Amino acid sequence: EPEVTQTPSHQVTQMGQEVILRCVPISNHLYFYWYRQILGQKVEFLVSFYNNEISEKSEIFDDQFSVERPDGSNFTLKIRSTKLEDSAMYFCASREETQYFGPGTRLLVL
Amino acid sequence: KNEVEQSPQNLTAQEGEFITINCSYSVGISALHWLQQHPGGGIVSLFMLSSGKKKHGRLIATINIQEKHSSLHITASHPRDSAVYICAVRRSGSARQLTFGSGTQLTVLP
Repeated sequence: EPEVTQTPSHQVTQMGQEVILRCVPISNHLYFYWYRQILGQKVEFLVSFYNNEISEKSEIFDDQFSVERPDGSNFTLKIRSTKLEDSAMYFCASREETQYFGPGTRLLVL
Repeated sequence: KNEVEQSPQNLTAQEGEFITINCSYSVGISALHWLQQHPGGGIVSLFMLSSGKKKHGRLIATINIQEKHSSLHITASHPRDSAVYICAVRRSGSARQLTFGSGTQLTVLP
């Protein structure tokens, strides 16, 4: 069965550093999403992406965040200058009709 | 007020019991998802509903659009059903990103 993959599974970084989280959506899907889940809290929407551009973004998705689809398969989330409060699990999802979630990247900012 | 409310927050059951998890929402939606999150963090989509009822194995999901309420039922529960169950709605007119409830932690004891 096709699946969404994410790398790395875990990342530890220093505050102020840039991180890039990578996702490979399911190949025939056209809509892509990033969500995050701070430990102990609910999952929150960050951004949706369609036709090579952002279609919607939340208040969380400020200028420190960017997304890109650099080639036909990868979908990346970049955090330019990480803050302690960026520590969370980041989920990528893609959809045709139903959303399929990746396994997540656990980001820890020290 | 949260747009998606789940109850109960925590539920402990004995193996074999019939389980019900409830979800109420306050916004217009085009679909409702039930998701399962395992201790490692991964999220699996169980159902997507826009009306009526769906069944998959021991899982049954129902939705009442007029009452803005959905239920997830598990028949003959088993310890491997232990997980967090999350209700998430796709808001009408959005780019189909999901708005999540806080989840219900289910523990099924042998």
